[in-house]
Parts: sequence; C-alpha cells; structure tokens
Amino acid sequence: DAGVTQSPTHLIKTRGQQVTLRCSPKSGHDTVSWYQQALGQGPQFIFQYYEEEERQRGNFPDRFSGHQFPNYSSELNVNALLLGDSALYLCASSLTGMLGNSPLHFGNGTRLTVT
Amino acid sequence: DQQVKQNSPSLSVQEGRISILNCDYTNSMFDYFLWYKKYPAEGPTFLISISSIKDKNEDGRFTVFLNKSAKHLSLHIVPSQPGDSAVYFCAASHHLGNKLVFGAGTILRVKS
Repeated sequence: DAGVTQSPTHLIKTRGQQVTLRCSPKSGHDTVSWYQQALGQGPQFIFQYYEEEERQRGNFPDRFSGHQFPNYSSELNVNALLLGDSALYLCASSLTGMLGNSPLHFGNGTRLTVT
Repeated sequence: DQQVKQNSPSLSVQEGRISILNCDYTNSMFDYFLWYKKYPAEGPTFLISISSIKDKNEDGRFTVFLNKSAKHLSLHIVPSQPGDSAVYFCAASHHLGNKLVFGAGTILRVKS
C-alpha cells in the first residue's frame, strides 16, 4: 500500500525563479493538503484541494498556487522565489467522507533551498 | 498568533519510564486534536487523536488526555522505548480533515 509520495526530495533554486513540487496521495485518499515547515517550527498550512478545487487556504501570498488532477495527485507552484521560501514542503492526503474525514497522512517532503 | 503551543522544546526520559508531552491551545473552535511523531528525513506520522467530546483516548502505549476547560492536552507514553525518540507535534483543527494548526514540536529523547 503506497503512502504519500513527493518529488523531488531536494531542490535548489535561485531568488526570483519558479518551482513546482509534486505529490501523489495515499491509495484511496481524495484530498491533498500542503504544508510549509521552516527550521525549528511546526508545519504551517498552505492550502487544501478536494475535487480539483482549492477548498481552504492558509495565510500565504498568491505566489503560492496549486492544482489537483483527476487522479487526485497535486502540484504546488511557487513563483518569484524569496530566500524566506526555503523550507521543507510537506504534502498530506486524507479521505473526505460523508461521516467524517480521516487523519492526514504525510509524505517525506521536498526540501527547497533558495539561494 | 500561536494558537497551539508546545512550551517544552525537549524532554529526556529513561527507557521504561513514562513520557509526558504537553500542549496548550487558545482557539475555542478547535474540536479535534492530534499527535504526530516525526523522525529526521521523514514526514510526520499520525499517532493518536481525540475529539472534544472525549477527555481520554488510549491506543496501546499511547494515551492522550484532553482538558477542555484548561485548553490543555497531553500525550502519555508508557513505557517509553528508545525507538520513541523523535519530534512530537501537537495539532488541532476545527473538524477532522480541515486544516491543522501545529505546535512547534517537542524533541523526545529516550535513554537506554
């Protein structure tokens, strides 16, 4: 049973560039959330996708955008990269159900370094 | 505005003893609380959760206690094992499946 997979595992970009991170949810899950974890802090919610639409959004600028595909996989795009965007980006999946939702299952993350 | 706080950055416990990790929250809208464990170079792993209608939930060696009036929850690990050494995150949400608000984490070291 494949868990949440993210690619790439590491990435180095230059200020001002754009980056795309990818995520495949755990088998059977239909909802994908993205989190940013800075060093020494807990993960911070960026946004959540369900049925190919952004359902919730955290306090992140419009430079952060996403997409969910019909197969439930997802991408996180960040434009005009800043040094402060350097962090671990975590994707999490869950199942949205009529009787309640499942806890989030996280991938191992993508370590983004902006120089 | 830190809505979920883990005030102890680290905790060291002897193998076989009890580990108690604490978490405080400020938002009264939170009704679901979760604990995640994170090893280096891995993503957080779900451990145990509790809804606001309960005050205790137990799963093997792990027990979570919720004190709604104090807006406080704790995770008890008994007995502690060296493999429990990790960073533990407390998280809260308004309804399970909605966005999680995380604390900053507590590093647990279990000494053998």
